[in-house]
Amino acid sequence: EPEVTQTPSHQVTQMGQEVILRCVPISNHLYFYWYRQILGQKVEFLVSFYNNEISEKSEIFDDQFSVERPDGSNFTLKIRSTKLEDSAMYFCASNSLAGTDTQYFGPGTRLTVL
Amino acid sequence: SQQGEEDPQALSIQEGENATMNCSYKTSINNLQWYRQNSGRGLVHLILIRSNEREKHSGRLRVTLDTSKKSSSLLITASRAADTASYFCATPLGSGSARQLTFGSGTQLTVLP
Repeated sequence: EPEVTQTPSHQVTQMGQEVILRCVPISNHLYFYWYRQILGQKVEFLVSFYNNEISEKSEIFDDQFSVERPDGSNFTLKIRSTKLEDSAMYFCASNSLAGTDTQYFGPGTRLTVL
Repeated sequence: SQQGEEDPQALSIQEGENATMNCSYKTSINNLQWYRQNSGRGLVHLILIRSNEREKHSGRLRVTLDTSKKSSSLLITASRAADTASYFCATPLGSGSARQLTFGSGTQLTVLP
């Protein structure tokens, strides 16, 4: 069964460094999302992406964040200058053109900012 | 913004018992979904119930939706130790096709062998 994959599974970085989190959505999906979950808290929406542009973004998704679909398979989340409070699990999700709201999530990347 | 809130926050039961988790939300929805998250892992979609449905089954899962009370429940029958996980309800927000999901705080279910 097709699945969303994410790399790396765990990223440790120093405050102020740039990180790029990578996702490979399910191949025939056209809508892509990033969510994050700070330890012990809710899953929070960051951004949605369709047709090579951002569809919606939350207040969390400030100028430090960017997303890109550099080729036909990868979907990346970049944090330009990480802060301690960016430490969280970051989940990528995707769904199909059929308009179903069911989203398929990757296993997540645990980002630790020191 | 609409928001799902689950209760209880934590539930501990013996294997073989049934587990019921509830979710309340604030605004009108056209569907509600339940996801499972094993510790430190991603979210797995369990079931989606549309606003015109009152009950839906999938294997050992039964979901109900009461739009008048803005609430949903997830029942897991004959629970197993492998059902130990956090369970979240989620509702789509927005009107476009790429609708974000808004998640509740989750119920941590522990099934004791």
